[in-house]
Amino acid sequence: QVQLVESGGGVVQPGRSLRLSCAASGFPFSGYAMHWVRQAPGKGLEWVAFISFDGSNKDYIDSVKGRFTISRDNSQDTLYLHMNSLRAEDTAVYFCARDRTGSSGSLSDWGQGTPVTVSS
Amino acid sequence: DIVMTQSPVSLAVTPGEPASISCRSSKSLLHSDGYNYLDWYLQRPGQSPQHLFYLAFNRASGVPDRFSGSGSGTDFTLKISTVEAEDVGVYYCMQTLQTPTTFGGGTKVEIK
Repeated sequence: QVQLVESGGGVVQPGRSLRLSCAASGFPFSGYAMHWVRQAPGKGLEWVAFISFDGSNKDYIDSVKGRFTISRDNSQDTLYLHMNSLRAEDTAVYFCARDRTGSSGSLSDWGQGTPVTVSS
Repeated sequence: DIVMTQSPVSLAVTPGEPASISCRSSKSLLHSDGYNYLDWYLQRPGQSPQHLFYLAFNRASGVPDRFSGSGSGTDFTLKISTVEAEDVGVYYCMQTLQTPTTFGGGTKVEIK
């Protein structure tokens, strides 16, 4: 079955960087677009970034543009989120999610999430 | 950005009774292809979200048929015909018509 396992979260000081990973299995990873979604403590869901199945198209929420980079390694079935210049407001649980199709926008499967805390 | 507004914010339901959640968008989600780009998700306590519906009324894999999705344009509804204990959690609507994808604020469903 589909499995998405995030890792790389932790506590980091403001202004520093962090790289999140999402290991995928149980489906042909290279055939699906992928997303990152985050959830601040006690808050709702916020879509963060999208990458097409082949990595040629990427999109971000305005608040992370220029600071975050989504990427993927289809040879390793792994999705990444490179986060630079982290701010306190980036504190959240970060989920990776599989697109329902090649690029429908629907999030058919989710990982368990990895927590990121930005604090001095 | 398209703003998604859900109501009510919370809902307490007796098991076996129906429940209904409303989602309204600030812009019509009806595309020229005839589809409404609206999804529903359920996040059970302590769990990651799970997909319930896509394109307004299409059930995701494994979703019981006591759940139904309806609506078009700017007004959408998620209905549970007979609530069960496992249905507790926060329900979110989400639009995928235009970037950025945006979620509603959530509706928390509890059992009386």
